[in-house]
Amino acid sequence: DSGVTQTPKHLITATGQRVTLRCSPRSGDLSVYWYQQSLDQGLQFLIQYYNGEERAKGNILERFSAQQFPDLHSELNLSSLELGDSALYFCASSARQEIWLDTEAFFGQGTRLTVV
Amino acid sequence: DQQVKQNSPSLSVQEGRISILNCDYTNSMFDYFLWYKKYPAEGPTFLISISSIKDKNEDGRFTVFLNKSAKHLSLHIVPSQPGDSAVYFCAAVGARGSEKLVFGKGMKLTVNP
Repeated sequence: DSGVTQTPKHLITATGQRVTLRCSPRSGDLSVYWYQQSLDQGLQFLIQYYNGEERAKGNILERFSAQQFPDLHSELNLSSLELGDSALYFCASSARQEIWLDTEAFFGQGTRLTVV
Repeated sequence: DQQVKQNSPSLSVQEGRISILNCDYTNSMFDYFLWYKKYPAEGPTFLISISSIKDKNEDGRFTVFLNKSAKHLSLHIVPSQPGDSAVYFCAAVGARGSEKLVFGKGMKLTVNP
């Protein structure tokens, strides 16, 4: 158990809909990272928040948005969903700003999103 | 553009033998490399890393080799165990100020008893 909690574990929704994925970081971790893993791609970095503020942005679509709340949990909002958005969405947390400090990044179990 | 490439999607080895997982990268600005292991229904977990100032890092049964001139790294697992069966992701990150961690597509390792 990494200490990072993601809900829901599975989500099935129709095209055009909007969903919200939730991530609770490890206690005390200030950084939250969102990753997308689709069938034909590796883990794609989407966005990072550090202590409530956006820190770094990756390949995140305009239809997607995220935020980190004062209690440090984070939500990833996906709207106008398309079939190609079906993927595993991972959240990771770290006490530091820089995820490259290896052992200090912990991943959740992921949310499997299926768009039909 | 795939900056971190794991060209072989899968590898199968016998228990006790060596597993060699390869990874190539294209961005010469990468200076820190990591391997993550992922079991089904779990998130990736950190395995081992190497800085670009080194060419080898060892941790128990796991050794990572880095060849900067070839932009290539490999993960060696010796001896392989059935519990090592998982998907392994190679990842790379650039210098401080560019913190995005770039992952490869992963390679599924199966260690047969």
